[in-house]
Amino acid sequence: DTAVSQTPKYLVTQMGNDKSIKCEQNLGHDTMYWYKQDSKKFLKIMFSYNNKELIINETVPNRFSPKSPDKAHLNLHINSLELGDSAVYFCASSQGSSTATDTQYFGPGTRLTVL
Amino acid sequence: AQKVTQAQTEISVVEKEDVTLDCVYETRDTTYYLFWYKQPPSGELVFLIRRNSFDEQNEISGRYSWNFQKSTSSFNFTITASQVVDSAVYFCALSEPPGAGNNRKLIWGLGTSLAVNP
Repeated sequence: DTAVSQTPKYLVTQMGNDKSIKCEQNLGHDTMYWYKQDSKKFLKIMFSYNNKELIINETVPNRFSPKSPDKAHLNLHINSLELGDSAVYFCASSQGSSTATDTQYFGPGTRLTVL
Repeated sequence: AQKVTQAQTEISVVEKEDVTLDCVYETRDTTYYLFWYKQPPSGELVFLIRRNSFDEQNEISGRYSWNFQKSTSSFNFTITASQVVDSAVYFCALSEPPGAGNNRKLIWGLGTSLAVNP
């Protein structure tokens, strides 16, 4: 019973391609997130959705577009992939977004390699 | 400004040694939460603990213990009798004060890479 799942786990693609990463949570949480972890392990939040509404949108190139069809799913689409997009992308979820108590639970990550 | 500092970039110990991972934070919040996460070599991020700013009692969970000291703005993590399976990157995080829409983000430290050698 995976709480937060992501597909695919690995993604290798050429520069200029468009790709999507999917995320699903079965925890009944209202809030979902996308993070990018670079090669130095630095974790940077990219987006957050609460009940399908975008609530956090960090400084991210507009080639990245999140979509939340329902509160259990949050997908990330990336257009015109660049070498610098190579990273591990983590999806996470939490019960809510407005209280300090909300623990974020993470998916297994998607390792994106752009050649 | 809110900040989390994990000054130890890498630590290497021999199995069965005790090891403490430091976490120092800065915040303007009076109510805040601190977190520790573990990232083993397999790559997933595993939640370990959440501690609120009003509860300064130390927490122990098996070989893991956490020392929260508000006076020094620290939330240190100790592994007793370390094992090879403890090898991982450990992240400390702090809840940020609410922004627009009362939404909070986590402020992450850069992580401490712990290697436990047999």
